[in-house]
Amino acid sequence: GAVVSQHPSWVICKSGTSVKIECRSLDFQATTMFWYRQFPKQSLMLMATSNEGSKATYEQGVEKDKFLINHASLTLSTLTVTSAHPEDSSFYICSAEMTTGGYYEQYFGPGTRLTVT
Amino acid sequence: AQKITQTQPGMFVQEKEAVTLDCTYDTSDQSYGLFWYKQPSSGEMIFLIYQGSYDEQNATEGRYSLNFQKARKSANLVISASQLGDSAMYFCAMRGGAGGTSYGKLTFGQGTILTVHP
Repeated sequence: GAVVSQHPSWVICKSGTSVKIECRSLDFQATTMFWYRQFPKQSLMLMATSNEGSKATYEQGVEKDKFLINHASLTLSTLTVTSAHPEDSSFYICSAEMTTGGYYEQYFGPGTRLTVT
Repeated sequence: AQKITQTQPGMFVQEKEAVTLDCTYDTSDQSYGLFWYKQPSSGEMIFLIYQGSYDEQNATEGRYSLNFQKARKSANLVISASQLGDSAMYFCAMRGGAGGTSYGKLTFGQGTILTVHP
């Protein structure tokens, strides 16, 4: 149980186009999902916290108009990178929070590697 | 604010030997949770072990154990009997709330690349 999927696993797009990444909790409902960004051999940087049915909370320095997050259901959150540029090339990872007996655990998706040419 | 520090960018260990990966943390929260994750070259984040700030015993999961020293604010990961498949990047992370409450965000350290030699 507690499986989180991401789609696509990798994507190459041209500069100026938009790319949508999906994060799904396959066997549990997730009120809260998180989006992280990771550059090679670096740590995960939290971009935003996504709550079902409400606007995402972005971390300081993250452009909310560039990284659009939609948490439309308890099993799906999407990250859209708008007008992508080469500097947006990165590894994007989502996590979904599951509540079990009052405890909260985060489960990570496998990540999406974005390359902008 | 929470901060996690991993001071070892890279570590090398011989197969079958034990290795310790260092992690220190700073927080003003009374209740918090500490995590270790493994990230192989495929990129997936694999949960290894968890320690709550009020847990009196050090956490253990198979070959993984967490050396929790609360007064020193350290949470080192010990991997016993290293295997070639242990070669990966390892992250220490912290979250406010020792499992019973969720502050949601995980704060990650810089990571340590572990290489296991045959």
